[in-house]
This record gives sequence, structure tokens and C-alpha cells, in this order.
Amino acid sequence: DSGVTQTPKHLITATGQRVTLRCSPRSGDLSVYWYQQSLDQGLQFLIQYYNGEERAKGNILERFSAQQFPDLHSELNLSSLELGDSALFFCARTGGGLTGDTQYFGPGTRLTVL
Amino acid sequence: GEDVEQSLFLSVREGDSSVINCTYTDSSSTYLYWYKQEPGAGLQLLTYIFSNMDMKQDQRLTVLLNKKDKHLSLRIADTQTGDSAIYFCAEAWTGKLIFGQGTELSVKP
Repeated sequence: DSGVTQTPKHLITATGQRVTLRCSPRSGDLSVYWYQQSLDQGLQFLIQYYNGEERAKGNILERFSAQQFPDLHSELNLSSLELGDSALFFCARTGGGLTGDTQYFGPGTRLTVL
Repeated sequence: GEDVEQSLFLSVREGDSSVINCTYTDSSSTYLYWYKQEPGAGLQLLTYIFSNMDMKQDQRLTVLLNKKDKHLSLRIADTQTGDSAIYFCAEAWTGKLIFGQGTELSVKP
């Protein structure tokens, strides 16, 4: 058990639509990271939040945005969806302690854009 | 920029050892990681190594780090069919993980 819950598991939608992906880290974990895995781009870091604030940004499209709420869950919003946005989206939390910032990944949300 | 490279495929026979190789570019990485992804599943942390170590052993897994050549390897002893998966190496850089393309390990009985 990675200590990260992601919902939904699967999402099928049409081009032009907007969706929200949800991530709940283990209670007390302040950091969440979002990654996108696609066939052409591989695994890419999107964005990190720490205790409600954006900490780092990667290759995240302007059509995508995220936020972290006071209860530390996070949402990734994807809008004006295109066929090429079909991917597996992962959320991760950090374990801290002796392993430093080791990241533990949730099961992912598979997004299919038709 | 930061880059992590892996070979894409490896095929071994059950019972043999598997060695998956990885090269990275950022010499300031503190930790390097190996993750496993089974078909349709998420990323499972297998092991990690701190950058001041040369080797780490964890049951059937041995990680070797050559910091001079920026080369990381994962050896799986007595490989089983259940080890068939995609293996990713990753370096930690400014808090985020930079992943390689993944090596698909196929274990034949």
C-alpha cells in the first residue's frame, strides 16, 4: 500500500471537455506530486504542491492546473482536452525520514479522450 | 538538461540473473531509484541508493552505482516469471523525479 488514493481509476471523455482527477495522500503528508505517463513522452513530472502552495512546476500544459486543499488532498484539472492528452496520471507522496524525499505513487487515473 | 537513459528491452530465462542498466546526467542527485510497473498497474518502489554508496543489496536485488560514469544498474538474481514488468530508473532533481524510458523485462520459462 503506497498510502496514496487516486480517483477515479478510469475516465473516458470527449475532446474539448474538462475533467478533474483527485489525489489523497496519507494523513499528514504535506507534499503531493503529479506525473503524466504517455506512450510518446514517457513519465513526466507535472507539478508539486507542499502544504497548499505550489512548490515546483514541470512540463505542465497551460490547459492543466492543480491545487492542494487545506485537508491536503489535491486535484488536477484538465481542460479543453485533446486526443493527445490520453495518458495515465499519477499522484505521489513523499515518505520522508531516512529515505529523504522518496516518492510513493498512487495507482493512477487512466484518462482516455475520444 | 537532465536526462536518464535506459535500454528498452531485456529478455532472460527463468532462474537467470537480469541486469538492467541506466545512465543519468545530473551528478548532484542525492538519491537514485528503481521502480517497477506491472501491466495496467502503478509504480512500485523497488529500491533506492544514496549517491555516496557504491552498492546496495536487498534480497534478490543488487544496485550498483558508478558515480564517475553516472551509471546505475539493477541486478535481479534468480529471475522469476513474476518479475516480468517495466523497470524505471529515476534520479531525484530539485525534489522531482526524472525517469528513464523504462526497460521491459521479459522472463521466459
